[in-house]
Formats: sequence, C-alpha cells, structure tokens
Amino acid sequence: AQSVTQLDSQVPVFEEAPVELRCNYSSSVSVYLFWYVQYPNQGLQLLLKYLSGSTLVKGINGFEAEFNKSQTSFHLRKPSVHISDTAEYFCAVSPARGGQAGTALIFGKGTTLSVSS
Amino acid sequence: SAVISQKPSRDICQRGTSLTIQCQVDSQVTMMFWYRQQPGQSLTLIATANQGSEATYESGFVIDKFPISRPNLTFSTLTVSNMSPEDSSIYLCSVDPGPGYTFGSGTRLTVV
Repeated sequence: AQSVTQLDSQVPVFEEAPVELRCNYSSSVSVYLFWYVQYPNQGLQLLLKYLSGSTLVKGINGFEAEFNKSQTSFHLRKPSVHISDTAEYFCAVSPARGGQAGTALIFGKGTTLSVSS
Repeated sequence: SAVISQKPSRDICQRGTSLTIQCQVDSQVTMMFWYRQQPGQSLTLIATANQGSEATYESGFVIDKFPISRPNLTFSTLTVSNMSPEDSSIYLCSVDPGPGYTFGSGTRLTVV
C-alpha cells in the first residue's frame, strides 16, 4: 500500500518570496506522483504530475516539483509566489501501472499556503 | 483527458434522508472512484466502482450507508443514506483513463 506525508500543515509566506511544500511518500512499488491545488470553495486542479522520465516536472502557474527516489520525496516549489497562490495543496500517489487505468489516488493531508503582502 | 459532470453541486438535507449524487463522464472508463472531503480535511477514498461488479469499499465505509451504482462505463451514482450532520462533506468522483486522474467539481452536502 502507498501513503503520503505532507510535512507542513501550514506555510505562510510573503508575496514574491520562494516557497517549497514538502511531500514524502511510502511505497513498495514504483509510483506516480501528483500535486493538486484547491482554491477556497473550488474543486481540485492538477498542478503537475510525475509518471516517468525527467525527475524535474514543470506544471501550471510557475510551479515545479522534483522526484527524488532515494529520498522518496516529491517537493513542490515556486520561485516567487503571488497572493493568488493562496490555497490548499495536496500531494497524491498511485502505483505506477504502465499507462493503464489502475487504483485510486491516495492523498496527503494537505498544506495550506497563505501568501500575504 | 476526461471531463466529468457531477450533480448536484450542493444541497442542504434533513437528517435521516438520503441524497444521490451523479457523475457522468464524457468517455468510457473502467473504474470510477468516490471520495469524501470533510471540512478542512483531505480527500478520503470511499469506494472504487467497476462496471459490472460490486463496488469495493474502503475500511470505515459500508454499502448500506454509501450504496453505489455503476450501470455503464460512463456513469455512476453514490447515495448517502440515512444522513446525519457528520455526513456534511464534499463528495467527489474521479476517473483515471490512464494515467491522469480527473475529478468532478464536487457535491457540497450540508446535513441539518
């Protein structure tokens, strides 16, 4: 079985500062990794995903994440945040399955990113 | 990627009643997943619905409380039965055409 640990429940930062949201996973098999964002009172939006290949993944809104197999981590970063990035961020994992439909995503508990001016 | 239409988007229900949530996908998918997001919490998997077979429920969730139908490869329903205020949550469906999960917009349920 897989599990996800988001190491920070809340991350407050100032506008234009860099940010890193940490995510560690546990799995006995190869995995796919995802970051989702949920703005207040809205649904889930996929930021980026790692399936295979390059360990540095670029997503939407200037976010990127790096897959580190030895550290079992998939930390999310942004070099300069905006007020509009204030939201809940979820890291999620599923077993890798060669492109075929498989099992459900397992989510971390989420990190609240609060950007202030 | 697949597009999901989820209904209703929100509802306020009396305790003891039931609500059925529908998810329609614009393409055929093998599996559909149902999640619950309690206030201020992360998403918890309720069950996996595979067309033509009984849904598989996660620990803590039972069919009598959350019956699921999957009549074809593009549609599923989740019913929240005999509701109590503790059932107030956002309920989401999700599909994985492989790989790349898509989520419905969610049903915000308030039980009074």
